[in-house]
Amino acid sequence: NAGVTQTPKFRVLKTGQSMTLLCAQDMNHEYMYWYRQDPGMGLRLIHYSVGEGTTAKGEVPDGYNVSRLKKQNFLLGLESAAPSQTSVYFCASKDPIPGLAGEEQYFGPGTRLTVT
Amino acid sequence: EDQVTQSPEALRLQEGESSSLNCSYTVSGLRGLFWYRQDPGKGPEFLFTLYSAGEEKEKERLKATLTKKESFLHITAPKPEDSATYLCAVQASGANSKLTFGKGITLSVRP
Repeated sequence: NAGVTQTPKFRVLKTGQSMTLLCAQDMNHEYMYWYRQDPGMGLRLIHYSVGEGTTAKGEVPDGYNVSRLKKQNFLLGLESAAPSQTSVYFCASKDPIPGLAGEEQYFGPGTRLTVT
Repeated sequence: EDQVTQSPEALRLQEGESSSLNCSYTVSGLRGLFWYRQDPGKGPEFLFTLYSAGEEKEKERLKATLTKKESFLHITAPKPEDSATYLCAVQASGANSKLTFGKGITLSVRP
């Protein structure tokens, strides 16, 4: 049981290049999330998905797109990278249990992206 | 707008010196308050969920408590391996409500 995995671990892009970050989870979770973490700031939600085939915008969605074609995978795309997108990106997943007041999210190890 | 403020930003303790980390929050109906631990270069690791004022949870040297305005993470007799960044997050009530995170508290425990 690997939990939440992210690919790649590190990447350097030039301004204007595109790339896709892959998140995979083997816990059969319904919900998946993409966050970015920058120094001096809390984790900020980029996009999320409440099930296969669904996506929704979070707090900072501009410049990113996502897809959830399979339940276990959640892809984050950068169409034209900008230096402001230099960050550490985390994927998370959870299973909303009916009747429970709150549910913890399980995080992946992160992808460190630098845009020059 | 939901808000989470953690203090202090950084805390240095001597091994065995107990202390508390604070998480103040404002949220439109609390569904849950979460504590995570994050080691350098790794993703956040879940510690506790608290649901209502007065609730307490413990795990080894850590105890989390909750009031209507804040949560404390008490660390009793810390060890160097407790050094990490501790994150607090709140989830508001409502369908598909999302987590709002604080900036974290970096704890360093000296041997």
